[in-house]
Amino acid sequence: AQTVTQSQPEMSVQEAETVTLSCTYDTSESDYYLFWYKQPPSRQMILVIRQEAYKQQNATENRFSVNFQKAAKSFSLKISDSQLGDAAMYFCAYRSAESGGYQKVTFGIGTKLQVIP
Amino acid sequence: DAGITQSPRHKVTETGTPVTLRCHQTENHRYMYWYRQDPGHGLRLIHYSYGVKDTDKGEVSDGYSVSRSKTEDFLLTLESATSSQTSVYFCAISGWGSGTDTQYFGPGTRLTVL
Repeated sequence: AQTVTQSQPEMSVQEAETVTLSCTYDTSESDYYLFWYKQPPSRQMILVIRQEAYKQQNATENRFSVNFQKAAKSFSLKISDSQLGDAAMYFCAYRSAESGGYQKVTFGIGTKLQVIP
Repeated sequence: DAGITQSPRHKVTETGTPVTLRCHQTENHRYMYWYRQDPGHGLRLIHYSYGVKDTDKGEVSDGYSVSRSKTEDFLLTLESATSSQTSVYFCAISGWGSGTDTQYFGPGTRLTVL
């Protein structure tokens, strides 16, 4: 079974600085998807970024980028120029890319990010 | 944002009472999911649906049932609520095929069972 580990329960960053959230996963599959979701105090789960394992290029969405290391099974999220609105819980998630039917998504337990003005 | 709504957004109930949570989507997506979120556990899947009247269990399905009579609606029922079911419940949807298979979430329902 796949597992997703987020080893940093809480992190903090100064406004305008850069922070990296770590995520590791365990799988025997070669093709899969990885996600980062953001959950602000409003509780809404918001997709931040999506990475396809067969693509070597790291995904980027504005100030958010990932460092995807497939061999190491590592998927870290870098937030550049941190803003107060980035303060949230961040969840890393894994999904198999096998075709046909439902594919389970496995979530990590989350990292709470505090942004200091 | 994906068109997903959940009702109610907050509910307080007593042990032993039945509770139904509703998820409604306007995206015509095939798959719908119910998760619960608890501190230290992330999100855990309760049930999911892969079409009208087609549902299956997730990893924490005991004490929950679901129904899907229309593409747009997915109901989660707690037949007899217990305090261990106090949680935040999220509905999610996803399509089929590249680009639509990412799960998008509703705003959540906070349920308190006294």
